Amino acid sequence: IAGITQAPTSQILAAGRRMTLRCTQDMRHNAMYWYRQDLGLGLRLIHYSNTAGTTGKGEVPDGYSVSRANTDDFPLTLASAVPSQTSVYFCASSDTSGGEYNEQFFGPGTRLTVL
Amino acid sequence: GQNIDQPTEMTATEGAIVQINCTYQTSGFNGLFWYQQHAGEAPTFLSYNVLDGLEEKGRFSSFLSRSKGYSYLLLKELQMKDSASYLCAAMDSNYQLIWGAGTKLIIKP
Repeated sequence: IAGITQAPTSQILAAGRRMTLRCTQDMRHNAMYWYRQDLGLGLRLIHYSNTAGTTGKGEVPDGYSVSRANTDDFPLTLASAVPSQTSVYFCASSDTSGGEYNEQFFGPGTRLTVL
Repeated sequence: GQNIDQPTEMTATEGAIVQINCTYQTSGFNGLFWYQQHAGEAPTFLSYNVLDGLEEKGRFSSFLSRSKGYSYLLLKELQMKDSASYLCAAMDSNYQLIWGAGTKLIIKP
């Protein structure tokens, strides 16, 4: 089934540990995004990638890094987790290659708790 | 600054009509999106408006006024499964989405 997968589904992590959240899409979308969603706040963009090999910073990039080695995968790494990074993380993708800014498709999310 | 405002919560009755409003202020504007998000799930796309006016799609319609920085989502013939959060998002001049906090819609029988 075409779509976006994320792993893990949920994770409890000790503060100071390194963690990589995985995201894979099979729709051949050129653009991919990482958001965090916190109660009472809108989705906030962490990092994005408009095409394989390029990445950009969003609204809240501090403490996070990404890479885009190929079209399908867009992992998000927390180098040294802190409790304020406790959140639900969503990966999304969209096809912007035609110049039209189509809707973003979301993965099922990763619920991360940092203690 | 960039800002999206929408009500935190609304309640409506099954079979009725509800309108969820959204006002936006962004650096540039390239369209307005509405998404539906059921509890514990991912957001799913509902509608996109870039020109003024009403877009109808089955029981759901979305309206945009660019001059007023205003949009609404209209849900007709409400069903229990419509209980969800509805997210408004405006696309800015960098083609990034600026998201509202969402409106939780509670449907009562």
